[in-house]
Amino acid sequence: GAVVSQHPSWVICKSGTSVKIECRSLDFQATTMFWYRQFPKQSLMLMATSNEGSKATYEQGVEKDKFLINHASLTLSTLTVTSAHPEDSSFYICSARAPPATGELFFGEGSRLTVL
Amino acid sequence: KQEVTQIPAALSVPEGENLVLNCSFTDSAIYNLQWFRQDPGKGLTSLLLIQSSQREQTSGRLNASLDKSSGRSTLYIAASQPGDSATYLCAVRRNPNNNDMRFGAGTRLTVKP
Repeated sequence: GAVVSQHPSWVICKSGTSVKIECRSLDFQATTMFWYRQFPKQSLMLMATSNEGSKATYEQGVEKDKFLINHASLTLSTLTVTSAHPEDSSFYICSARAPPATGELFFGEGSRLTVL
Repeated sequence: KQEVTQIPAALSVPEGENLVLNCSFTDSAIYNLQWFRQDPGKGLTSLLLIQSSQREQTSGRLNASLDKSSGRSTLYIAASQPGDSATYLCAVRRNPNNNDMRFGAGTRLTVKP
């Protein structure tokens, strides 16, 4: 299957700092990538849809100024958690659809963020 | 609003047993349904994708079925192995133009040697 890579896999930061997470499609081009958040023992919650060359589409209740998304190229999307607080600590996962539009979704390995 | 439920939340079986994981969804108007595996602290691995026009998909020891009208899908694992221990998630997608996938909370499977 297609490969989606995330970096870093884990990060610890101080409250008030910003953290950037990268999501790359390694063997295919993705015009659309998705960012999810997962709390312990809970399901994935879609945060936003990242669109190459245009603004991201955020889900209701997700602060766009706090979670900045940039889809710089057809293989890279970044999520920046700005002015992080302890409540932002979570597991963040990105995904992308490999062409053609069969609908199959491939996920990155996830990034564990801990804000002290 | 689409709600996806997975039962049971956790399951423990001895090695070699066949087992069934259940996924139900409230809105039968789906485009496809996908089963994933998630190991602790890791991302998701796609297992099987069933389009709305399909009734089942098979991959190795895994078989997934879909009954759209009743809003159910099952994942059958044959001859379970300790390496199958993980959390299994199902997700439904409403339509090809809608990127919103709704996930269940998952079933945490433990296969004991």
